[in-house]
Amino acid sequence: AQSVTQLDSQVPVFEEAPVELRCNYSSSVSVYLFWYVQYPNQGLQLLLKYLSGSTLVKGINGFEAEFNKSQTSFHLRKPSVHISDTAEYFCAVKRGSQGNLIFGKGTKLSVKP
Amino acid sequence: ETGVTQTPRHLVMGMTNKKSLKCEQHLGHNAMYWYKQSAKKPLELMFVYSLEERVENNSVPSRFSPECPNSSHLFLHLHTLQPEDSALYLCASSQGGGADSYEQYFGPGTRLTVT
Repeated sequence: AQSVTQLDSQVPVFEEAPVELRCNYSSSVSVYLFWYVQYPNQGLQLLLKYLSGSTLVKGINGFEAEFNKSQTSFHLRKPSVHISDTAEYFCAVKRGSQGNLIFGKGTKLSVKP
Repeated sequence: ETGVTQTPRHLVMGMTNKKSLKCEQHLGHNAMYWYKQSAKKPLELMFVYSLEERVENNSVPSRFSPECPNSSHLFLHLHTLQPEDSALYLCASSQGGGADSYEQYFGPGTRLTVT
């Protein structure tokens, strides 16, 4: 069965510092990878996705992620975070075009001034 | 209205009540989903509708009953719930088939508290 592991449940960081949120998945077949963000009292919003092609994917709000097939990872990065980036971030995996999204448990990013 | 809307945003109900959650998507999509989000647990997919037909039911208790009358509306009917059913219920939609099926658009959720 597929699974998604987000290694950190909480990540505190100071404003303007870089951040990396880690995501590993388990699958023996090709998958499609996603990062979603959830701001307080809101639903999930797609940050970026990897379907094929370049392994470095750029998303909204200055975030990017790199697909590493050999390490089965899809870590999310931002070179300089803002207070407004405080939210919960979810990594998700989809197996093929008909598979459902499998979500990780989420990582709460807390940006401090 | 744009995107995916959900009503009510907050709901408190007793274990013997019957209530319904409503979801509406204004994106022209043909697939809709119900998810349950509990604290410290991954999002759990509950139901999937594609072209108004239920295509997936992930072993959800029968006290949750979905209804999809058309491609724009999705309901979750609730009855005799348990306190452990308290959670954020999220609705999502997508355009089924092809590459566009990969992106799901989420509503803001209904925060349900069962007393």
